[in-house]
Amino acid sequence: GENVEQHPSTLSVQEGDSAVIKCTYSDSASNYFPWYKQELGKRPQLIIDIRSNVGEKKDQRIAVTLNKTAKHFSLHITETQPEDSAVYFCAAGDSGYSTLTFGKGTMLLVSP
Amino acid sequence: NAGVTQTPKFQVLKTGQSMTLQCAQDMNHNSMYWYRQDPGMGLRLIYYSASEGTTDKGEVPNGYNVSRLNKREFSLRLESAAPSQTSVYFCASNIRSNTGELFFGEGSRLTVL
Repeated sequence: GENVEQHPSTLSVQEGDSAVIKCTYSDSASNYFPWYKQELGKRPQLIIDIRSNVGEKKDQRIAVTLNKTAKHFSLHITETQPEDSAVYFCAAGDSGYSTLTFGKGTMLLVSP
Repeated sequence: NAGVTQTPKFQVLKTGQSMTLQCAQDMNHNSMYWYRQDPGMGLRLIYYSASEGTTDKGEVPNGYNVSRLNKREFSLRLESAAPSQTSVYFCASNIRSNTGELFFGEGSRLTVL
C-alpha cells in the first residue's frame, strides 16, 4: 500500500516568513495529492490539491509543487500570518483506489 | 445545509463497554469514511464505504465494526472498548472515492478508562 512521509513534524516561523512542508510517497500509481489544514480543536479542511498532470499550483499565498520522478510534493506558504498557525496534513492517492493515505502532520507555529 | 454531522461530540466509556458513533451527511455524497486521530499519528482510516451497500477495512479496523445504513448515514461501533481506542474520531464524506475534497465532521472525542 501507499506510504506517505511528512517533514518536519513542527515548524516555527516569524510572521512574514515563508514556510515549506515536504512529503514523499511510495506508490508510483498515486496521482492525487491534497493538503488539509486543521486548526486547533477543529476539523481538517482542504486548502489546495494537485493532480499528477500538473507540476505546480498556486492559490494566493499558498502553492504546491509536485515532482513525480522523485515522488515528492511540497506545500509553500508565503508571507505567513498568525492565522496560518495550524496542523497541515499531506495525502496521496490514486483514482484506482478508494482511499487517501495521510502523512502524520506538521504543526506550523507563526509568531507575531 | 449541515454538511457532515457526527454524534456524540464527547464520550467517556469504561473498558469493555460498547457504543456507536453516528454520522450523517446531507450532500448526497456516495462515499463515507471513519478516521481516528491520535497525537503524532495523523489521520488513520478505520473503515470506509465507497458506495451505499459496501464497506471495506482501512488501515486500523481491529476492534471496530461499521454499518452503512443508507446513503446518508454511516455508523461506527465499538463492541468492547479498550483504552487503546481512546482517540478523536472523524467521519468524512466525498462525492466519490478518491476524486476530490473530503468533508469532515466536527469530530468525536472518546475516552476509554
